[in-house]
Amino acid sequence: DVKVTQSSRYLVKRTGEKVFLECVQDMDHENMFWYRQDPGLGLRLIYFSYDVKMKEKGDIPEGYSVSREKKERFSLILESASTNQTSMYLCASSSPLTGRQPQHFGDGTRLSIL
Amino acid sequence: QQPVQSPQAVILREGEDAVINCSSSKALYSVHWYRQKHGEAPVFLMILLKGGEQKGHEKISASFNEKKQQSSLYLTASQLSYSGTYFCGPRPVRDDKIIFGKGTRLHILP
Repeated sequence: DVKVTQSSRYLVKRTGEKVFLECVQDMDHENMFWYRQDPGLGLRLIYFSYDVKMKEKGDIPEGYSVSREKKERFSLILESASTNQTSMYLCASSSPLTGRQPQHFGDGTRLSIL
Repeated sequence: QQPVQSPQAVILREGEDAVINCSSSKALYSVHWYRQKHGEAPVFLMILLKGGEQKGHEKISASFNEKKQQSSLYLTASQLSYSGTYFCGPRPVRDDKIIFGKGTRLHILP
């Protein structure tokens, strides 16, 4: 089975801090994704990566950056955390041919910014 | 632009049927469906491809109308385990990512 592991289930940080959310997958997938999930808004794509060192902006990239130095690891960075970034963050991975292959999700990180 | 899912929420009794609809404003290459239980990760249910067949999962099936840019998920003889939030994720033809809808909350009563 595909395993997508997010480093923390719960995280509490303060406004202005630099926050790192880590995601690791064990299936050698080329594609990796970061989503934000808020009540009533569904899953919104922040960034995705289709290869090492490659990244593309999703629908809501403002205030975030990403890093993919190794194929199995995709990091989401909040450069200067703000309270409106309090949310559930989900990482996912998939084989290439986006649209033809399922995405496999991690359990999520519930991030609170105080 | 997010696809539109309807209904937003539905409550059923065990054994009843349900239909969840997903409508996009763009021409579609495929449609994904996922289910998320409370506190858990979304889980893949099925993919419907342009020009492809209707695919099923247990008593859950789906259809994809390419011309209308719509997909529907059919839950037959619902079970308690079907409770959760269902998300559709269409992939537009001229895009390389899927865009998820806001979800449909399904609650099954015994």
